[in-house]
Amino acid sequence: DGGITQSPKYLFRKEGQNVTLSCEQNLNHDAMYWYRQDPGQGLRLIYYSQIVNDFQKGDIAEGYSVSREKKESFPLTVTSAQKNPTAFYLCASSEDRYSNQPQHFGDGTRLSIL
Amino acid sequence: GQSLEQPSEVTAVEGAIVQINCTYQTSGFYGLSWYQQHDGGAPTFLSYNALDGLEETGRFSSFLSRSDSYGYLLLQELQMKDSASYFCAVRDQGGSYIPTFGRGTSLIVHP
Repeated sequence: DGGITQSPKYLFRKEGQNVTLSCEQNLNHDAMYWYRQDPGQGLRLIYYSQIVNDFQKGDIAEGYSVSREKKESFPLTVTSAQKNPTAFYLCASSEDRYSNQPQHFGDGTRLSIL
Repeated sequence: GQSLEQPSEVTAVEGAIVQINCTYQTSGFYGLSWYQQHDGGAPTFLSYNALDGLEETGRFSSFLSRSDSYGYLLLQELQMKDSASYFCAVRDQGGSYIPTFGRGTSLIVHP
């Protein structure tokens, strides 16, 4: 079955540490997205990528970085510059950003500070 | 930019019908989606409206009025498993067509 796999499910970060969240999809989708979700809040866009080797900042990109070296993979790095990283991180994909087809989401990674 | 308003919480009993409203502000409306998210889980797609009117998918229906910048999700024959958060999301030509999500409505279904 096709889908999106995020790992790990839970992640803990120490002060001053960078951590990387994995996102892999086998849906052959061109577009991939990273969202942050805080308790009782909606999803806020961090970064998105329409095609390999290209990505764009979303609404809250500061303190985060991404890469898109392969169509299937879109890892997110939470850097030490992100002072409030505790949140639920969701990766999504879609055929492309113009399509009416829906976004498909992974099961998320819950990041906490040690 | 875009902004959306939806109620923070709605409660109902099993078997009832509930409507979750969503109003939005956008400069180049392209479509309105609804997603369901159970606690700690992945959002899952429910419906999409690009044109005015009602879209029906089983027990769930979604309505859009572009002139009123308003939509709603209608859930019929409520079941306990429908207890979840429901998000409306608007796509805007000015926002690169990427959905902007509302804060979500927590639906609590009582027996």
